Amino acid sequence: SAVISQKPSRDICQRGTSLTIQCQVDSQVTMMFWYRQQPGQSLTLIATANQGSEATYESGFVIDKFPISRPNLTFSTLTVSNMSPEDSSIYLCSVEARAAARYNEQFFGPGTRLTVL
Amino acid sequence: KNEVEQSPQNLTAQEGEFITINCSYSVGISALHWLQQHPGGGIVSLFMLSSGKKKHGRLIATINIQEKHSSLHITASHPRDSAVYICAVTGGGADGLTFGKGTHLIIQP
Repeated sequence: SAVISQKPSRDICQRGTSLTIQCQVDSQVTMMFWYRQQPGQSLTLIATANQGSEATYESGFVIDKFPISRPNLTFSTLTVSNMSPEDSSIYLCSVEARAAARYNEQFFGPGTRLTVL
Repeated sequence: KNEVEQSPQNLTAQEGEFITINCSYSVGISALHWLQQHPGGGIVSLFMLSSGKKKHGRLIATINIQEKHSSLHITASHPRDSAVYICAVTGGGADGLTFGKGTHLIIQP
């Protein structure tokens, strides 16, 4: 299994500022995924982050708005830049576990609840 | 892009009832996940399926690859089963997950 922690767990930010969310995994993983869940909505994939390469963004998400770092196999950050109230969401990181009995199982961090005023 | 449809959107049932949640998708996949999300937002993976059927305690998940359909069943439902149940699919590799809108389940005592 994989245990994932995220920081901060929640934050309230002012419009126009930026927030960096950290995701730490207790084991080495190749791919980490960042998702957003807007109020009352289901989750949407923002980007896939591989160690040593540029993150791959889904349609509707751009690097200037959501820069991602992946410096090693256990850590990633997502920055929400120049925030507006529409960015108020829960942001979750996720990994796939590829251990023998749990191939392809998904593990999710506890989420970062962001409110932009 | 895969379209994932879940039904019902909302379900209220009495304790002990047999619960079925359905999920259909539009494009072939490598795996389908059933996830549980509690009011605080935390998400737990219940099952990962690529074929057939899996059982864990009172939960059963089935998938029909030809029909692009999966079901999640809860036997002897209990108020602690109250949560949002989400179906998600992936084509594998770096695809990430595509999610259904979720089924909000309430089990009343």
